[in-house]
Amino acid sequence: GAGVSQSPRYKVAKRGQDVALRCDPISGHVSLFWYQQALGQGPEFLTYFQNEAQLDKSGLPSDRFFAERPEGSVSTLKIQRTQQEDSAVYLCASSASGQGLGYTFGSGTRLTVV
Amino acid sequence: QKEVEQNSGPLSVPEGAIASLNCTYSDRGSQSFFWYRQYSGKSPELIMSIYSNGDKEDGRFTAQLNKASQYVSLLIRDSQPSDSATYLCAVNRPQAGTALIFGKGTTLSVSS
Repeated sequence: GAGVSQSPRYKVAKRGQDVALRCDPISGHVSLFWYQQALGQGPEFLTYFQNEAQLDKSGLPSDRFFAERPEGSVSTLKIQRTQQEDSAVYLCASSASGQGLGYTFGSGTRLTVV
Repeated sequence: QKEVEQNSGPLSVPEGAIASLNCTYSDRGSQSFFWYRQYSGKSPELIMSIYSNGDKEDGRFTAQLNKASQYVSLLIRDSQPSDSATYLCAVNRPQAGTALIFGKGTTLSVSS
C-alpha cells in the first residue's frame, strides 16, 4: 500500500480484556517496528521485526505483550489482560532497510483501557 | 540520564523568525540522527536525517550534528504558523541494531 496502515484507529477495552492491534506496512518494507506513545511523551520502542523474524523485543513492558509477523508482512500486537497503564497510542512503523534509515509511521491505534 | 534529552518547551517564536530546537544524546556509538514533526493527534513525520558532523540543509530546515558534544539541533528559518507542532529528536541505539530512541519532544508555537 501507499502508507503504513493500522487498525483499529481507536479501541476501548475493559480492564482484563485482550486486544489485538494490526499493522500493514508499506509493501516491500523489510523492517517493522512497534512503539508505544503515552500522552505528552515521545514514542517508546517495543519490538522490531526483520521480515518474519522478531529480532528485538526488549521494549515489551511485560509478558502480557506479544507481537507476531508470521509471513513477513502484516503484524499484530496483542495485549492480554489489559491494564489502565496500557492506555496509549500504539504506533507501527516500517522501513525499507533496518539500519540507519528513518521510519514511516502509521496513524496509530489509540487504546483506552477503562 | 535519559538516552535522548530535549527541552519540552513550549518554544514560542513570532512568524518569520528562526526557531532553534536542541537535543542531546548519551550513547557515543550512535550514528544516525533524525528529526520528526508531530502535529497534535497525528503520527510522527520524518523531516530530516543527519549522519555526519556538520550541517545539512533542506529548504527552511537545517540539521546540525556535533558528535564530540553529542548534540543535534534543528533550525527552522522563516517560521510559519503551520510549523507549530512537537518536534521529536530520534537517535539509533547501536547495541540494539535498528531501534530508534526518541526524546520527549519540544513543542513549538509560531505566532502570526
